[in-house]
Amino acid sequence: QKEVEQDPGPLSVPEGAIVSLNCTYSNSAFQYFMWYRQYSRKGPELLMYTYSSGNKEDGRFTAQVDKSSKYISLFIRDSQPSDSATYLCAMKTGNQFYFGTGTSLTVIP
Amino acid sequence: GAVVSQHPSRVICKSGTSVKIECRSLDFQATTMFWYRQFPKQSLMLMATSNEGSKATYEQGVEKDKFLINHASLTLSTLTVTSAHPEDSSFYICSASQGSGGYTFGSGTRLTVV
Repeated sequence: QKEVEQDPGPLSVPEGAIVSLNCTYSNSAFQYFMWYRQYSRKGPELLMYTYSSGNKEDGRFTAQVDKSSKYISLFIRDSQPSDSATYLCAMKTGNQFYFGTGTSLTVIP
Repeated sequence: GAVVSQHPSRVICKSGTSVKIECRSLDFQATTMFWYRQFPKQSLMLMATSNEGSKATYEQGVEKDKFLINHASLTLSTLTVTSAHPEDSSFYICSASQGSGGYTFGSGTRLTVV
């Protein structure tokens, strides 16, 4: 079983929709949880960084962590065509990073 | 599923020495491998893209003579930090692509140059 599981999609939504992206994990030692956005031919850009269960909001983005279920989510409200990208979840314990494979999102105008 | 093994996970070296980091795809052939650098709580910075059997493509600002990348086979890419200095201390992370659009990341190497 992989440490981090993420549905690769692709996911296609109309502009203005609420997008829900999810990852599950198996290692209860993970302490830090991150979401990255990656545009084509670019490096992943850090969107959200959290180290506790609960919700963290930043503008249109909300990161949710449920450690009891080993499940994290990223919600995008009022999605825009510029949100079209690959979204990667990542988790960290100690010096080790574990990434999901990324979910490809397309927001259709 | 696709697995990428990166090692060492942690290395401490003296200033002026060279360090080699390996990135190996265990159960698939990686047509393309990527090397990233990450500072604490920062985005991953793409350093270079390597295709098997050809020279790596370096991003602007990355010194190709300092960060040597070799992608000699479809399952192995190496990053050598030459003449390392304390400012090279960082996390280095590789990822590999099977060509289908998904990325598989290594677990990272924490380099400390003293």
